[in-house]
Amino acid sequence: GNSVTQMEGPVTLSEEAFLTINCTYTATGYPSLFWYVQYPGEGLQLLLKATKADDKGSNKGFEATYRKETTSFHLEKGSVQVSDSAVYFCALRSDNYGQNFVFGPGTRLSVLP
Amino acid sequence: GAGVSQTPSNKVTEKGKYVELRCDPISGHTALYWYRQSLGQGPEFLIYFQGTGAADDSGLPNDRFFAVRPEGSVSTLKIQRTERGDSAVYLCASSPDRGPYEQYFGPGTRLTVT
Repeated sequence: GNSVTQMEGPVTLSEEAFLTINCTYTATGYPSLFWYVQYPGEGLQLLLKATKADDKGSNKGFEATYRKETTSFHLEKGSVQVSDSAVYFCALRSDNYGQNFVFGPGTRLSVLP
Repeated sequence: GAGVSQTPSNKVTEKGKYVELRCDPISGHTALYWYRQSLGQGPEFLIYFQGTGAADDSGLPNDRFFAVRPEGSVSTLKIQRTERGDSAVYLCASSPDRGPYEQYFGPGTRLTVT
């Protein structure tokens, strides 16, 4: 079945450091890929998305590129802020029947001032 | 506009009791999803509605879990004979009927079974 693997956390960085959170997936067909973020005490929010190979999703300084050849969708940000501290979830939406989402286990990011 | 809302925000119940969790999706969204999120885990798919019908209920763990969406809007997740292992945050999400089908999540209901 479909699955998503993320790098284990927690990840602790200093403010203005470069961030990479790795995400790889296994899926049949051509899934859409997403990054969701969950800030402390809040619900899941869509951060960015990509719907086909080589698409780059971007939002709030975060970027991720859909790499079909490596089945990856790594999240990057050039300079993190304390306010980026949250849990980040990589997810895919299968184009198979059901349209359901599969989420990774999440990666907790802590950014220190 | 109003987002996805879920009630109650917290529910504590005794083992063996019946509970209902409610989800109000974003107006006009035809797709509605239920997930369960345990501590330190990602959301786990339970069931997906397209309109009034359950298009995919393959994630429901057993027959104690049931969900309805009778008018194609509000949905209720029902859990019978609750067990301590049912304790989790239950998330609801909705999405429009046009691609790329990103989901909008509610704040969740934290269920604790004692």
